[in-house]
Amino acid sequence: DADVTQTPRNRITKTGKRIMLECSQTKGHDRMYWYRQDPGLGLRLIYYSFDVKDINKGEISDGYSVSRQAQAKFSLSLESAIPNQTALYFCATSDPTSGSIPEQFFGPGTRLTVL
Amino acid sequence: EDKVVQSPLSLVVHEGDTVTLNCSYEVTNFRSLLWYKQEKKAPTFLFMLTSSGIEKKSGRLSSILDKKELFSILNITATQTGDSAVYLCAVGPNSGYALNFGKGTSLLVTP
Repeated sequence: DADVTQTPRNRITKTGKRIMLECSQTKGHDRMYWYRQDPGLGLRLIYYSFDVKDINKGEISDGYSVSRQAQAKFSLSLESAIPNQTALYFCATSDPTSGSIPEQFFGPGTRLTVL
Repeated sequence: EDKVVQSPLSLVVHEGDTVTLNCSYEVTNFRSLLWYKQEKKAPTFLFMLTSSGIEKKSGRLSSILDKKELFSILNITATQTGDSAVYLCAVGPNSGYALNFGKGTSLLVTP
Protein backbone atom coordinates (compact mmCIF):
# COMPACT_ATOMS: atom_id res chain seq x y z
CA ASP A 1 0.00 0.00 0.00
CA ALA A 2 1.16 3.52 -0.75
CA ASP A 3 2.50 5.48 2.22
CA VAL A 4 0.96 8.77 1.06
CA THR A 5 -2.40 8.68 -0.68
CA GLN A 6 -4.45 11.43 -2.25
CA THR A 7 -8.10 11.53 -3.22
CA PRO A 8 -9.48 12.17 -5.73
CA ARG A 9 -6.80 11.49 -8.33
CA ASN A 10 -8.62 13.52 -10.96
CA ARG A 11 -11.34 16.13 -10.63
CA ILE A 12 -13.09 18.42 -13.05
CA THR A 13 -15.22 21.17 -11.57
CA LYS A 14 -16.79 24.49 -12.45
CA THR A 15 -15.88 28.02 -11.44
CA GLY A 16 -17.29 28.95 -8.05
CA LYS A 17 -17.59 25.41 -6.69
CA ARG A 18 -16.07 24.36 -3.38
CA ILE A 19 -13.56 21.56 -3.71
CA MET A 20 -11.73 19.50 -1.11
CA LEU A 21 -8.61 17.46 -1.81
CA GLU A 22 -7.64 14.89 0.77
CA CYS A 23 -4.32 13.46 1.79
CA SER A 24 -3.63 10.55 4.11
CA GLN A 25 -0.34 9.04 5.21
CA THR A 26 0.74 5.92 7.04
CA LYS A 27 4.34 7.01 7.57
CA GLY A 28 3.70 8.48 11.01
CA HIS A 29 5.22 11.81 10.00
CA ASP A 30 4.26 14.98 11.83
CA ARG A 31 4.96 17.35 8.95
CA MET A 32 2.67 17.57 5.95
CA TYR A 33 2.63 19.87 2.94
CA TRP A 34 0.49 20.85 0.01
CA TYR A 35 2.12 21.90 -3.27
CA ARG A 36 0.79 22.78 -6.68
CA GLN A 37 2.67 22.18 -9.88
CA ASP A 38 2.14 24.20 -13.03
CA PRO A 39 4.02 23.80 -16.31
CA GLY A 40 7.10 25.99 -16.31
CA LEU A 41 6.69 27.03 -12.68
CA GLY A 42 7.82 23.95 -10.81
CA LEU A 43 6.46 23.04 -7.40
CA ARG A 44 5.11 25.84 -5.22
CA LEU A 45 4.17 25.53 -1.59
CA ILE A 46 0.56 26.30 -0.64
CA TYR A 47 0.35 25.35 3.05
CA TYR A 48 2.31 23.27 5.50
CA SER A 49 1.65 21.83 8.93
CA PHE A 50 4.15 20.82 11.61
CA ASP A 51 1.55 18.98 13.66
CA VAL A 52 -2.18 18.91 14.25
CA LYS A 53 -2.19 22.30 16.00
CA ASP A 54 0.21 24.04 13.65
CA ILE A 55 -0.82 25.39 10.23
CA ASN A 56 1.27 27.78 8.16
CA LYS A 57 0.79 29.59 4.88
CA GLY A 58 3.16 28.90 2.02
CA GLU A 59 4.06 31.17 -0.87
CA ILE A 60 0.71 30.89 -2.68
CA SER A 61 -1.98 30.38 -0.03
CA ASP A 62 -4.53 32.90 -1.37
CA GLY A 63 -7.72 31.15 -2.42
CA TYR A 64 -6.91 28.02 -0.43
CA SER A 65 -7.51 26.77 3.08
CA VAL A 66 -6.42 23.62 4.90
CA SER A 67 -7.47 21.40 7.74
CA ARG A 68 -5.27 19.01 9.72
CA GLN A 69 -7.86 16.62 11.08
CA ALA A 70 -5.34 14.19 12.55
CA GLN A 71 -1.66 13.44 12.32
CA ALA A 72 -2.37 11.28 9.30
CA LYS A 73 -4.78 13.56 7.43
CA PHE A 74 -4.30 16.95 5.80
CA SER A 75 -7.00 18.37 3.53
CA LEU A 76 -6.80 21.24 1.07
CA SER A 77 -9.91 23.23 0.20
CA LEU A 78 -10.68 25.63 -2.60
CA GLU A 79 -13.58 27.67 -1.27
CA SER A 80 -14.59 29.04 -4.65
CA ALA A 81 -12.60 27.47 -7.44
CA ILE A 82 -11.34 29.59 -10.33
CA PRO A 83 -9.77 28.50 -13.65
CA ASN A 84 -6.23 29.56 -12.70
CA GLN A 85 -6.33 26.98 -9.92
CA THR A 86 -6.20 24.30 -12.58
CA ALA A 87 -3.02 22.41 -11.70
CA LEU A 88 -1.50 19.22 -10.38
CA TYR A 89 -1.63 19.14 -6.58
CA PHE A 90 0.78 17.14 -4.47
CA CYS A 91 0.69 16.28 -0.80
CA ALA A 92 3.98 15.46 0.92
CA THR A 93 5.21 14.42 4.34
CA SER A 94 8.50 14.61 6.20
CA ASP A 95 9.87 13.38 9.50
CA PRO A 96 11.36 16.06 11.77
CA THR A 97 12.96 13.43 14.00
CA SER A 98 15.31 12.30 11.25
CA GLY A 99 17.86 14.93 12.28
CA SER A 100 15.68 17.61 10.66
CA ILE A 101 16.81 16.40 7.27
CA PRO A 102 13.88 17.50 5.17
CA GLU A 103 13.52 14.64 2.72
CA GLN A 104 9.91 14.71 1.63
CA PHE A 105 7.70 11.84 0.51
CA PHE A 106 5.11 12.68 -2.09
CA GLY A 107 1.65 11.38 -2.81
CA PRO A 108 0.61 10.46 -6.36
CA GLY A 109 -0.96 13.84 -7.06
CA THR A 110 -4.46 15.14 -7.82
CA ARG A 111 -5.09 16.63 -11.25
CA LEU A 112 -7.67 19.40 -10.85
CA THR A 113 -9.34 21.16 -13.75
CA VAL A 114 -11.54 24.19 -13.13
CA LEU A 115 -13.76 25.12 -16.06
CA GLU B 1 14.15 36.10 -1.18
CA ASP B 2 15.12 32.45 -1.41
CA LYS B 3 15.53 31.08 -4.90
CA VAL B 4 16.62 27.91 -6.67
CA VAL B 5 17.57 28.10 -10.34
CA GLN B 6 18.02 25.05 -12.55
CA SER B 7 19.63 24.95 -15.95
CA PRO B 8 19.09 24.09 -18.65
CA LEU B 9 15.30 24.09 -18.56
CA SER B 10 15.19 21.38 -21.20
CA LEU B 11 17.64 19.08 -22.87
CA VAL B 12 17.52 16.50 -25.67
CA VAL B 13 20.31 13.92 -25.94
CA HIS B 14 20.94 10.58 -27.61
CA GLU B 15 21.18 7.31 -25.76
CA GLY B 16 24.67 6.81 -24.41
CA ASP B 17 25.41 10.50 -23.97
CA THR B 18 26.47 11.97 -20.64
CA VAL B 19 24.48 14.89 -19.27
CA THR B 20 25.08 17.42 -16.52
CA LEU B 21 22.20 19.22 -14.89
CA ASN B 22 22.81 22.34 -12.83
CA CYS B 23 21.21 23.80 -9.75
CA SER B 24 22.22 27.08 -8.12
CA TYR B 25 20.61 28.45 -5.02
CA GLU B 26 20.33 31.38 -2.69
CA VAL B 27 18.61 30.46 0.53
CA THR B 28 18.91 31.39 4.16
CA ASN B 29 19.76 28.71 6.70
CA PHE B 30 20.80 26.13 4.12
CA ARG B 31 20.74 22.60 5.44
CA SER B 32 20.47 20.28 2.48
CA LEU B 33 19.94 20.03 -1.27
CA LEU B 34 17.82 17.29 -2.75
CA TRP B 35 17.41 15.93 -6.25
CA TYR B 36 14.19 14.30 -7.43
CA LYS B 37 13.20 12.56 -10.64
CA GLN B 38 9.68 13.11 -11.86
CA GLU B 39 8.13 11.08 -14.63
CA LYS B 40 4.39 11.20 -15.22
CA LYS B 41 3.64 10.96 -11.53
CA ALA B 42 4.93 12.10 -8.16
CA PRO B 43 8.57 13.04 -7.68
CA THR B 44 10.83 10.23 -6.52
CA PHE B 45 13.83 10.90 -4.36
CA LEU B 46 17.33 10.55 -5.85
CA PHE B 47 19.91 12.18 -3.59
CA MET B 48 20.30 14.40 -0.59
CA LEU B 49 23.47 16.43 -0.20
CA THR B 50 24.49 18.22 2.95
CA SER B 51 28.28 18.40 2.79
CA SER B 52 30.38 20.17 0.25
CA GLY B 53 32.61 18.17 -2.07
CA ILE B 54 31.25 14.72 -1.26
CA GLU B 55 29.91 12.92 -4.31
CA LYS B 56 26.81 10.80 -3.98
CA LYS B 57 26.44 7.98 -6.49
CA SER B 58 23.70 5.60 -7.49
CA GLY B 59 24.46 3.55 -10.56
CA ARG B 60 24.85 5.91 -13.51
CA LEU B 61 23.72 8.93 -11.53
CA SER B 62 25.95 11.04 -9.36
CA SER B 63 25.71 14.41 -7.68
CA ILE B 64 27.96 16.81 -5.88
CA LEU B 65 27.43 19.97 -3.89
CA ASP B 66 29.57 23.10 -3.70
CA LYS B 67 28.44 25.10 -0.67
CA LYS B 68 30.95 27.86 -1.29
CA GLU B 69 29.74 28.57 -4.81
CA LEU B 70 26.13 27.63 -3.94
CA PHE B 71 25.45 25.08 -6.62
CA SER B 72 25.04 21.40 -7.28
CA ILE B 73 25.29 19.25 -10.38
CA LEU B 74 23.58 16.01 -11.26
CA ASN B 75 25.44 13.81 -13.74
CA ILE B 76 23.92 10.98 -15.71
CA THR B 77 26.31 8.82 -17.68
CA ALA B 78 25.43 6.42 -20.51
CA THR B 79 21.91 7.79 -20.67
CA GLN B 80 18.99 5.51 -21.47
CA THR B 81 15.49 6.32 -22.71
CA GLY B 82 14.22 5.50 -19.24
CA ASP B 83 16.14 8.48 -17.90
CA SER B 84 13.71 10.77 -19.71
CA ALA B 85 12.00 12.80 -16.99
CA VAL B 86 11.92 16.14 -15.25
CA TYR B 87 14.69 16.46 -12.69
CA LEU B 88 13.89 18.69 -9.74
CA CYS B 89 16.33 20.35 -7.40
CA ALA B 90 15.11 21.45 -3.97
CA VAL B 91 16.85 23.23 -1.15
CA GLY B 92 15.78 23.21 2.44
CA PRO B 93 14.74 24.16 4.85
CA ASN B 94 13.29 27.57 4.32
CA SER B 95 11.88 29.51 7.24
CA GLY B 96 8.97 27.12 7.31
CA TYR B 97 11.02 23.97 7.10
CA ALA B 98 9.60 23.23 3.68
CA LEU B 99 11.62 22.88 0.49
CA ASN B 100 12.31 25.50 -2.15
CA PHE B 101 12.02 23.84 -5.55
CA GLY B 102 13.59 24.88 -8.80
CA LYS B 103 11.48 24.78 -11.96
CA GLY B 104 13.11 21.56 -13.10
CA THR B 105 15.12 20.37 -16.08
CA SER B 106 13.19 18.37 -18.65
CA LEU B 107 15.45 15.67 -20.09
CA LEU B 108 14.54 13.70 -23.20
CA VAL B 109 16.78 10.80 -24.20
CA THR B 110 16.21 9.66 -27.77
CA PRO B 111 17.06 6.19 -29.10
